Formats: sequence, structure tokens, C-alpha cells
Amino acid sequence: GAGVSQSPSNKVTEKGKDVELRCDPISGHTALYWYRQSLGQGLEFLIYFQGNSAPDKSGLPSDRFSAERTGGSVSTLTIQRTQQEDSAVYLCASSLRRGPYTFGAGSRLTVL
Amino acid sequence: AQKITQTQPGMFVQEKEAVTLDCTYDTSDQSYGLFWYKQPSSGEMIFLIYQGSYDEQNATEGRYSLNFQKARKSANLVISASQLGDSAMYFCAMSLDTGRRALTFGSGTRLQVQP
Repeated sequence: GAGVSQSPSNKVTEKGKDVELRCDPISGHTALYWYRQSLGQGLEFLIYFQGNSAPDKSGLPSDRFSAERTGGSVSTLTIQRTQQEDSAVYLCASSLRRGPYTFGAGSRLTVL
Repeated sequence: AQKITQTQPGMFVQEKEAVTLDCTYDTSDQSYGLFWYKQPSSGEMIFLIYQGSYDEQNATEGRYSLNFQKARKSANLVISASQLGDSAMYFCAMSLDTGRRALTFGSGTRLQVQP
């Protein structure tokens, strides 16, 4: 597609439920990134995929968080047993191996 | 580990004036890239400008220029002729050219352009 597409744009869930957030990157972009932005804060790196290399998971805050990227394209970020502190905007970005990132519009997660 | 510092939580500027948003960085790597992104109230992250660590000239993109001072490890964003639409959060970020490529972001500066 023309840009990075994320879904859902908004998700409200109850504490303890699992959620899945989807990212469809720009066609041909080999790199894909997930970030988290809490209210009024900067962006916190979560995970990075580059081609067929093993992902850089060093930013995942706990083992409740996981992500996969199928076929080198679409990525899913999964949060298990959600907690209220998981409430944030989850941003996906993609890029060529070098060059500026293009961000999606984000998925706003609210955990009640 | 790399670190980005933005010391100005908020800035005001009069319409049509120039404004400088400060950014300093810390890394032991020699090859890296510096980025500025704009985030309006709608939430999307908009890429503004990029400077490579080996670029000899300061980057410019329209009304945006990056004042790169490598020895001081600073990468300030200059916006000339401010417009009301420039009101937004501005983030400075850095990535390494080798190893971890994920962008490390600063805490941001909220710019408000006044008429």
C-alpha cells in the first residue's frame, strides 16, 4: 500500500485479556519496527525486524509481549494478560534497510 | 548505549519568526544517522529531515534545516518562517548504521506558534 497501515485504530479491553495489533508495512520495506508511546511521553522501542534476520526483541518490556512477522510483510504484536500500564499508543514503522522510517497512524490501546 | 536529550519541554514562537529546537546525543559509534520527526495533535509521526554522521554539509529540507555540530554532539532543528501549522511535538532521534538500527528518541519538544 501507499503507507503503513495499522489496525485496529482503537482497542478497549479488560485487564487480563489478550490483544493483537496488526501492522501492514509499505510494500518492499524490509525493516519493520514497533514502538510504544504513553500519554505525553516519547517513543519507547519494542522490537525490530530486518528481512530474514532474527528480530531484535531487546525493547519488549515483559514476556507478555511478543511479535511476529509473517512472510517478511505483515506483523502482529500480541500482548497477553493485559495490564492497565499497557495502555498506550502502539506505533509501527517500516523502512528500507537504510533511510527514514514511515510510521503508521498507531493503535490506541486502553486497558480498563 | 545511545541517548538523545531534548532539554526544551515547550517552546513558543511568533508566526513568521525562526525557531531552534535543541537536541544533543551520546554515542560511541562513529557511523550514525540523526532524524527529526513532527507529531501533530492528530498523532501521526511525520519525517522532517535526516543528517548522516559523515555528511559534511548541514541537511536542509524546505523551511527545515539541521544545525549539525559533530564535536559538540548536537543536532538542532531550525524552522524558518514559522507557520501556525508548525505547532506540534518535535522529536529528535538517532539510529546506528551498524548493529542496532532501531531509532532512539528524545523526550520531545512541544512547539506552539502564536499569531
